[in-house]
Amino acid sequence: GNSVTQMEGPVTLSEEAFLTINCTYTATGYPSLFWYVQYPGEGLQLLLKATKADDKGSNKGFEATYRKETTSFHLEKGSVQVSDSAVYFCALQNTGTASKLTFGTGTRLQVTL
Amino acid sequence: EAGVAQSPRYKIIEKRQSVAFWCNPISGHATLYWYQQILGQGPKLLIQFQNNGVVDDSQLPKDRFSAERLKGVDSTLKIQPAKLEDSAVYLCASSSGTSGRTDTQYFGPGTRLTVL
Repeated sequence: GNSVTQMEGPVTLSEEAFLTINCTYTATGYPSLFWYVQYPGEGLQLLLKATKADDKGSNKGFEATYRKETTSFHLEKGSVQVSDSAVYFCALQNTGTASKLTFGTGTRLQVTL
Repeated sequence: EAGVAQSPRYKIIEKRQSVAFWCNPISGHATLYWYQQILGQGPKLLIQFQNNGVVDDSQLPKDRFSAERLKGVDSTLKIQPAKLEDSAVYLCASSSGTSGRTDTQYFGPGTRLTVL
């Protein structure tokens, strides 16, 4: 079956530090991959996505590259801000329309001044 | 464009009581999902509707949970009777259901349920 494994948090960084949150997956076929973010008190928001191997998703300074050979989709940002403090979820979706998302357990990021 | 609406935002009940949650998806979205997010875990799909038909309810505890989407628009999720382990955030999401390669899901703010 499908599964997503994320690095455990919390991750605590100083402002302007480099961020990496690891994500690996197990899936049949060629899934689409996503990063969602959940800010305190808010719902899940799509951060970025990639639909095929070697695609790079990017948004708000965050990037992730779909690596089929290592079944990974690591999230990176070159310089984090306090406002990036949130919980980040990696997720996959099987090909085809209207398929459910399979989520990882989430990684909490805390950025301090 | 209005997002996914959910109500109530918070609910506290005692075990064995009943509770219902409501979701109104983005206008025109054919697919509607209910996810359960237990504290410290990622969301888990409970049920998926395509218009007013059920696509996937394999993870729905059918002895106590029920859901409907009678007119293919808004949806209600009910728990009867509630157990302590049902304490979670219930997330509703919708998607257009028409994309060929991938179908982005948009989430509502969720309903936080506490069962005492």
